[in-house]
Amino acid sequence: GIQVEQSPPDLILQEGANSTLRCNFSDSVNNLQWFHQNPWGQLINLFYIPSGTKQNGRLSATTVATERYSLLYISSSQTTDSGVYFCAVVRTSGTYKYIFGTGTRLKVLA
Amino acid sequence: DSGVTQTPKHLITATGQRVTLRCSPRSGDLSVYWYQQSLDQGLQFLIQYYNGEERAKGNILERFSAQQFPDLHSELNLSSLELGDSALYFCASSLLGGGDTQYFGPGTRLTVL
Repeated sequence: GIQVEQSPPDLILQEGANSTLRCNFSDSVNNLQWFHQNPWGQLINLFYIPSGTKQNGRLSATTVATERYSLLYISSSQTTDSGVYFCAVVRTSGTYKYIFGTGTRLKVLA
Repeated sequence: DSGVTQTPKHLITATGQRVTLRCSPRSGDLSVYWYQQSLDQGLQFLIQYYNGEERAKGNILERFSAQQFPDLHSELNLSSLELGDSALYFCASSLLGGGDTQYFGPGTRLTVL
């Protein structure tokens, strides 16, 4: 099956710092998503990004499908960015697959 | 507030029992997704419905079933419960169900004793 690996597993930043989170996947996929789960458990769907680059405020994501990875950039981090960031890949050809990575736990210090 | 509601918030039950989790999507959204989050298995996609029809199926056990009703709310039925079914169950909704933003409910925490 498709393997999804995220790195780093844990990250601690000072407020205002920038960071890059990585998601590697082992096979071709039709779609890729990034999610944020805040410390209270609420999940937010950040991006659908099968390829290319998208930006939303201080967050941006880039997926290079041919090299099987995606990056999530967080600029000028704030304490509200703390939580766990998950990527998930979707493959619709053949048996449907929707697989989550194990997440990157981010803590932003004031 | 995402606009997606899930009931109940917490559920404690015993092994072998059956429970029903309910999800009301955001007004206007046609698609509903169910996810399970546990310490052992992480986040897993279970199943997706679009306008009453099953659209995609993930790691949903045979003991579990779901449906989406004509008013677009959805129910996830879990039967013959085992200790390992203890988890947070999330529902999400989206307008079209393919490549559009999903909005998540607060989750139902199920504890099987």
